[in-house]
Amino acid sequence: DQQVKQNSPSLSVQEGRISILNCDYTNSMFDYFLWYKKYPAEGPTFLISISSIKDKNEDGRFTVFLNKSAKHLSLHIVPSQPGDSAVYFCAAPGDTGNQFYFGTGTSLTVIP
Amino acid sequence: GAGVSQTPSNKVTEKGKYVELRCDPISGHTALYWYRQSLGQGPEFLIYFQGTGAADDSGLPNDRFFAVRPEGSVSTLKIQRTERGDSAVYLCASSLGTGGKNEQFFGPGTRLTVL
Repeated sequence: DQQVKQNSPSLSVQEGRISILNCDYTNSMFDYFLWYKKYPAEGPTFLISISSIKDKNEDGRFTVFLNKSAKHLSLHIVPSQPGDSAVYFCAAPGDTGNQFYFGTGTSLTVIP
Repeated sequence: GAGVSQTPSNKVTEKGKYVELRCDPISGHTALYWYRQSLGQGPEFLIYFQGTGAADDSGLPNDRFFAVRPEGSVSTLKIQRTERGDSAVYLCASSLGTGGKNEQFFGPGTRLTVL
């Protein structure tokens, strides 16, 4: 039973445009969400997070939006750059905060 | 400083064999996690250590899988009687403290292939 879902396995965007990556979750008890970025042959690296008490968190070109009523979050990257091409994972910590639930990832390709 | 390192980077073994995968966490990180990532999937939690003890091993799929962290630093994930379905990338992560707001730093993973 997947508690965090990313329904788009891939996304292609032109350089300079906005990339929007989506994530849905089923567990209403999740109180914190994270986005990780992964390049080939490397481990995931933390990108940005959001607490459930907020609906938006911004860090430079990256903004995460949280819609608790819809159990949906999205990551916006603007403007997109070729170096942003990677797999992006949405994640949420479980009850104890130690077990992270990851989505299946979205592979973003930014076309120069 | 050095990040999380994992050895070997690749391991090919035959069905039924025993394998050990090693993780060196970031110095000073008390929490250590093992995940498994199968093709087309996200990382799946296996086990979490706080210090030397396994605080949560609920993600281990069966008793063929075992992990240790005897001195509270390096950890070894051990898989007995490997099966083809064990083929995956095994990721290790460490964090300074516990809880969801503590960033987990991941190693590059060990790609295990069971023939």
